Amino acid sequence: GAVVSQHPSWVICKSGTSVKIECRSLDFQATTMFWYRQFPKQSLMLMATSNEGSKATYEQGVEKDKFLINHASLTLSTLTVTSAHPEDSSFYICSASTGSRYEQYFGPGTRLTVT
Amino acid sequence: AQTVTQSQPEMSVQEAETVTLSCTYDTSESDYYLFWYKQPPSRQMILVIRQEAYKQQNATENRFSVNFQKAAKSFSLKISDSQLGDAAMYFCAYRSKTGTASKLTFGTGTRLQVTL
Repeated sequence: GAVVSQHPSWVICKSGTSVKIECRSLDFQATTMFWYRQFPKQSLMLMATSNEGSKATYEQGVEKDKFLINHASLTLSTLTVTSAHPEDSSFYICSASTGSRYEQYFGPGTRLTVT
Repeated sequence: AQTVTQSQPEMSVQEAETVTLSCTYDTSESDYYLFWYKQPPSRQMILVIRQEAYKQQNATENRFSVNFQKAAKSFSLKISDSQLGDAAMYFCAYRSKTGTASKLTFGTGTRLQVTL
């Protein structure tokens, strides 16, 4: 149980285009989802927290207009990187929580390469 | 704001031996969760062990155990009988109990190598 999927697992896009990453909780309802960014050989940095049906809360320094997060249902959250640039290339990881437990369940991550 | 510090960027252990990974944290809260996560080359985050701050007993999961020193704000992970599959990045993480789903604050990680 408690499986989180991400799609795609790897995406290559051209500079200036937008790309959408999906995060799904497959066997539970996720009231809260988190989006992290991880650069090579570095730790996970929280980008934003989203609760189903409400606007995401972004961490300081994260551009909300560039990284659009939508959590429209209890099983799906999306991260859209708008007008992507090479510096946006990174590994993006989502996690999901039921809200009533301590644990976050992590997706397998999405590697974004912007050329 | 809470901070988590892992002072060992890399550690190495021989197969079947024991290794301890260090973690310290800073918080003004009295009750919280602490975690150790493993990130193998696949980059899938895997929960290794968790500790609730109000519980004095150190958590244990098979070959993995922690030494939780609340007053010292220290939370080390001991891996016994190390196996090749234990090679990974290990992240210490803090989670407040405030709110229903508070965010995790991660340390910088320790890369563990397991040698034959």
